[in-house]
Amino acid sequence: AQKITQTQPGMFVQEKEAVTLDCTYDTSDPSYGLFWYKQPSSGEMIFLIYQGSYDQQNATEGRYSLNFQKARKSANLVISASQLGDSAMYFCAMREGKWAQGGSEKLVFGKGTKLTVNP
Amino acid sequence: KAGVTQTPRYLIKTRGQQVTLSCSPISGHRSVSWYQQTPGQGLQFLFEYFSETQRNKGNFPGRFSGRQFSNSRSEMNVSTLELGDSALYLCASSLPQAGGANIQYFGAGTRLSVL
Repeated sequence: AQKITQTQPGMFVQEKEAVTLDCTYDTSDPSYGLFWYKQPSSGEMIFLIYQGSYDQQNATEGRYSLNFQKARKSANLVISASQLGDSAMYFCAMREGKWAQGGSEKLVFGKGTKLTVNP
Repeated sequence: KAGVTQTPRYLIKTRGQQVTLSCSPISGHRSVSWYQQTPGQGLQFLFEYFSETQRNKGNFPGRFSGRQFSNSRSEMNVSTLELGDSALYLCASSLPQAGGANIQYFGAGTRLSVL
């Protein structure tokens, strides 16, 4: 069964510094996708970044990058130059299988990490 | 381009009642998934619809049901509400494609309180 583990319930970072949020996953399917979402206190889940299991390069999206270590089954999110608006819950999620082969869109989420950016 | 729209944003119901939540996906998206978020259980998958067909279902009792219409809009229904159904219900839409990342985009959610 697929599983996502986020071991940091809370993290603190100073404004303008970089922070790494940890995520490890477990799956037996060779085809999977890893996602990071941000959830502000308003509740909406905001997509940040995606990494496919066959992607050779680590994904980057602006200030967000994903440190993908396949052998260790880890997909850590790195936020560079933190901003006050980055304060939120961050969720790592995984989807198994391939859509074209009957795979599901179902995401399995970790418990999340609450990030607080201090001025 | 409009995002995923969920209505209503807030609901207060009493035990035993039933409730219907609505989700309008991003234009052109044909897949809609529903999730329940509670402080204790976190985010849990409820169901997934594509082209009006339920493609996958999570481990929830039969009181939880859903459907998708021909315009891809989706509704979920919870009958005989229990206190434990109090949660944030999130809807997500995507445009599934072979070999694609198939990003799910979420709405702002419906916060249901059962008294």
